[in-house]
Amino acid sequence: DTEVTQTPKHLVMGMTNKKSLKCEQHMGHRAMYWYKQKAKKPPELMFVYSYEKLSINESVPSRFSPECPNSSLLNLHLHALQPEDSALYLCASSHFGQHYGYTFGSGTRLTVV
Amino acid sequence: GESVGLHLPTLSVQEGDNSIINCAYSNSASDYFIWYKQESGKGPQFIIDIRSNMDKRQGQRVTVLLNKTVKHLSLQIAATQPGDSAVYFCAESRIKAAGNKLTFGGGTRVLVKP
Repeated sequence: DTEVTQTPKHLVMGMTNKKSLKCEQHMGHRAMYWYKQKAKKPPELMFVYSYEKLSINESVPSRFSPECPNSSLLNLHLHALQPEDSALYLCASSHFGQHYGYTFGSGTRLTVV
Repeated sequence: GESVGLHLPTLSVQEGDNSIINCAYSNSASDYFIWYKQESGKGPQFIIDIRSNMDKRQGQRVTVLLNKTVKHLSLQIAATQPGDSAVYFCAESRIKAAGNKLTFGGGTRVLVKP
């Protein structure tokens, strides 16, 4: 299995809702990432997990809460989001400490209303 | 600071011609670069990579050139095809003690005209 699977593909949520984005990989990668991508912009790094521990947080607001329950799964919990948080959220994984092999999922298209 | 940027936001190219996409970076300590292709509704897809101790690397129909003197890299696509229409990003990979960090440049949209 050489894929990163993200669910759901599309999500519409209200500003008072709580929702979660899910990401799964079975490549044995011990580094996993969340990126946010606005239209016509490059992906922006949000969080890095290394060996299931949060290792990098790029000053992301606390309304975004990541979780890595095991080496294959990565979640992003969403609460009290704003319309400007609407974006494509990408998950990626790679081998820890290696430059090569970053693999991206197809993303979750999030719309906050 | 660290940054990876692109010169041209949109490149229109005739089918069969060669495409050249440029990227500038600012950190002379940058060690490893990756080019990605992103099609509509999909995540970035790996095209080719290059380490800073190289100045050229070739793949199938693609070549990456790295000029460390002027902190510039380029992606050349030979005989551009309609399927090459996408947004192309350069990215820099850095290995930190805390973990890997992959930073993207601004992106160039390639439109292939039949």
